[in-house]
Amino acid sequence: GAGVSQSPRYKVAKRGQDVALRCDPISGHVSLFWYQQALGQGPEFLTYFQNEAQLDKSGLPSDRFFAERPEGSVSTLKIQRTQQEDSAVYLCASTPGRLAGGETQYFGPGTRLLVL
Amino acid sequence: GQQLNQSPQSMFIQEGEDVSMNCTSSSIFNTWLWYKQDPGEGPVLLIALYKAGELTSNGRLTAQFGITRKDSFLNISASIPSDVGIYFCAGLTGTASKLTFGTGTRLQVTL
Repeated sequence: GAGVSQSPRYKVAKRGQDVALRCDPISGHVSLFWYQQALGQGPEFLTYFQNEAQLDKSGLPSDRFFAERPEGSVSTLKIQRTQQEDSAVYLCASTPGRLAGGETQYFGPGTRLLVL
Repeated sequence: GQQLNQSPQSMFIQEGEDVSMNCTSSSIFNTWLWYKQDPGEGPVLLIALYKAGELTSNGRLTAQFGITRKDSFLNISASIPSDVGIYFCAGLTGTASKLTFGTGTRLQVTL
């Protein structure tokens, strides 16, 4: 498809498990973003890549969260030793250019993570 | 993290009615955006505003960029059932690429 895709769509993890969430941005898009959306809240920024470079990771809530985009296309968000407060929808977005100012961020459908 | 304040939190309206919602911030933004999110989907951009005082329309939707740069408004005219969803405002500063989202307004339309 032509849009941003994410997998898995749903993930149930036991507390303490590691999880990996995948994002396939729109082909050729330079910038990629990860957001966390808690139930009943708006998305909150986690991290931003320009090609393979992680330019901003100020939103990652702890060192248990790690993101990578080694070849400048697909990105993976990894959460180690998951906690119940990590339960949320994780959204990925991409834009064609290097700066998101004014550019439409195209969002994927998200991965809904539930930590038991 | 910071979230912009949206009001109302939720609203029930009848089909055909006009809707108004707003978004306020303690910080200045250079760009204001309005998104709609349907259940199980990511947000979809509705309108983008780039200049203080700007008024922009997209079909039945009209949005304004407040002159203080700290607020924005979205109006939907003649609502229809497919307008149901959650509406988010989002702000963008000139130096950062990350969006700061509002808390959302849930719109439900009754026939």
